[in-house]
Amino acid sequence: EAGVTQFPSHSVIEKGQTVTLRCDPISGHDNLYWYRRVMGKEIKFLLHFVKESKQDESGMPNNRFLAERTGGTYSTLKVQPAELEDSGVYFCASSRPGLNTEAFFGQGTRLTVV
Amino acid sequence: KNEVEQSPQNLTAQEGEFITINCSYSVGISALHWLQQHPGGGIVSLFMLSSGKKKHGRLIATINIQEKHSSLHITASHPRDSAVYICAVRLGGSRLTFGEGTQLTVNP
Repeated sequence: EAGVTQFPSHSVIEKGQTVTLRCDPISGHDNLYWYRRVMGKEIKFLLHFVKESKQDESGMPNNRFLAERTGGTYSTLKVQPAELEDSGVYFCASSRPGLNTEAFFGQGTRLTVV
Repeated sequence: KNEVEQSPQNLTAQEGEFITINCSYSVGISALHWLQQHPGGGIVSLFMLSSGKKKHGRLIATINIQEKHSSLHITASHPRDSAVYICAVRLGGSRLTFGEGTQLTVNP
């Protein structure tokens, strides 16, 4: 089966611009997670979708970040306007329905805000 | 202080050596994951544990729930094992909380 795919793999944008990251989970995986690794720090949770619903968005840093999962398939994470501290690697993961199911990760999107 | 602590942060070994990476966590968990990330690559799940021990090839993962501790062992290490190894736990919900990772370098 195809894995979790993310694009773009890299994005370099200027401060104040908008960027949209996309994640295509594994087919049939109701759970979709966004995580972020900022330089030198551990990976941190951003939010969790179950199908199209936001189950937990407690990790979203501020209202410049907007995540959607229309139709419960792929998800987008938009940063508008981007700030320098948003630079990092954004990972998406998906898992089958249920709480304690194995998570499969995408390759990540490396975002650089200059 | 992070809820998940890994040690060591960096580890350099010679090919063939036995390697141990440790992970300690501070609260009760429902599951613990060991993940691998190669340079420039995505994250690959190695193990998901809730008790005992699991083995896959040269990799062994153990967990002691009472002591809130897990170890990842690599036997007969090889340069291709060089990567960042990350411990992550489920604290109750389904999201993961991550350690900072251990950078492993295996020299030929």
